[in-house]
Amino acid sequence: DAGITQSPRHKVTETGTPVTLRCHQTENHRYMYWYRQDPGHGLRLIHYSYGVKDTDKGEVSDGYSVSRSKTEDFLLTLESATSSQTSVYFCAISERASGSYEQYFGPGTRLTVT
Amino acid sequence: DQQVKQNSPSLSVQEGRISILNCDYTNSMFDYFLWYKKYPAEGPTFLISISSIKDKNEDGRFTVFLNKSAKHLSLHIVPSQPGDSAVYFCAASGFGNEKLTFGTGTRLTIIP
Repeated sequence: DAGITQSPRHKVTETGTPVTLRCHQTENHRYMYWYRQDPGHGLRLIHYSYGVKDTDKGEVSDGYSVSRSKTEDFLLTLESATSSQTSVYFCAISERASGSYEQYFGPGTRLTVT
Repeated sequence: DQQVKQNSPSLSVQEGRISILNCDYTNSMFDYFLWYKKYPAEGPTFLISISSIKDKNEDGRFTVFLNKSAKHLSLHIVPSQPGDSAVYFCAASGFGNEKLTFGTGTRLTIIP
């Protein structure tokens, strides 16, 4: 299994509070991604990173920001959490070497915004 | 605009029979396709992939078929086993694109 951890694994927070989710990898992969999974929507990309300090938006980036100061860590921040951000969040990594498109996922963080 | 579609939210199959999961796509720039399997409370795990230069790829009990003219791919699982009960996502990417676009998933239930 790819060495990917996510913390916390579960979090309950109140509307309007800031929340930061952490993704940590031990594979030294270049690419890192944040997705959210919601019923009826599958996995939707929030933000991704293609190197230290290099990030870009995905299809559902509003209300989220990210940072990557080290190869191994990718942080997702909800500046002011809303109930619509209640979801399961997955981090993924990829090397994209030799034409490989596979991404490898962490165990997920279940976030509830009350 | 859903570029990758899995039109069957759920599928039930008897143990030992063939499971066929389908996926359609609309973006003709997609040239690499993947299937992921997801158990409850776990992250998705990569299952099998296929490049657009092929029309079939096999890995043990799992075979993926690609019909480029119909923009359709399918995953065949033979024989189906109880441990195959999970949600299956198809995903697609284009050349030089570091992102994947996922379908909405199909929940497969294998009936003993």
